[in-house]
Amino acid sequence: GQQVMQIPQYQHVQEGEDFTTYCNSSTTLSNIQWYKQRPGGHPVFLIQLVKSGEVKKQKRLTFQFGEAKKNSSLHITATQTTDVGTYFCAGPGTASKLTFGTGTRLQVTL
Amino acid sequence: GAGVSQSPSNKVTEKGKDVELRCDPISGHTALYWYRQSLGQGLEFLIYFQGNSAPDKSGLPSDRFSAERTGGSVSTLTIQRTQQEDSAVYLCASGDRVNTGELFFGEGSRLTVL
Repeated sequence: GQQVMQIPQYQHVQEGEDFTTYCNSSTTLSNIQWYKQRPGGHPVFLIQLVKSGEVKKQKRLTFQFGEAKKNSSLHITATQTTDVGTYFCAGPGTASKLTFGTGTRLQVTL
Repeated sequence: GAGVSQSPSNKVTEKGKDVELRCDPISGHTALYWYRQSLGQGLEFLIYFQGNSAPDKSGLPSDRFSAERTGGSVSTLTIQRTQQEDSAVYLCASGDRVNTGELFFGEGSRLTVL
């Protein structure tokens, strides 16, 4: 079945440093979504990308969908402590079921 | 409703007992998912309901787990003869479109099996 892997599994950065998480699907995706889960919270939708090569920005966050529509990345510029959490990508697989990636946990310290 | 509602928020049970977890999705949402999340881990897919289609049960870990969705709305996840390894947070999510569009998650039901 479809597999969605993310790297790194965990990253610890100093506040102000940049951060990137990469998402790779075993199958071509019609779209990719990104979610953020704060510690103790539930996943919250951030964005959806649909077009090959698409790039979208939300303030310090930049999302990219690969040309082959099998990978994606999330880049955070100048991290802040409010960015702490786990970031998940997710894409539709067989029978339209949304499959979540393995997640990247981000820790930011002052 | 304001969002996806799950109950109970916390459940402590003894090994071998049955538990029922409830999910009230956002009104009108046709897609409903159940996920399981152990401490510090990712989202483990359990089951997916989409409209009137047969549910995708491919993620249910054993026959002790079952779920139903009545009238295309409320869903109940039932775990029979609970085991300690069933301890986790059970998350429900709903969406209004097939294959696309954001999922809205509930706060989750934390299950502890003693």
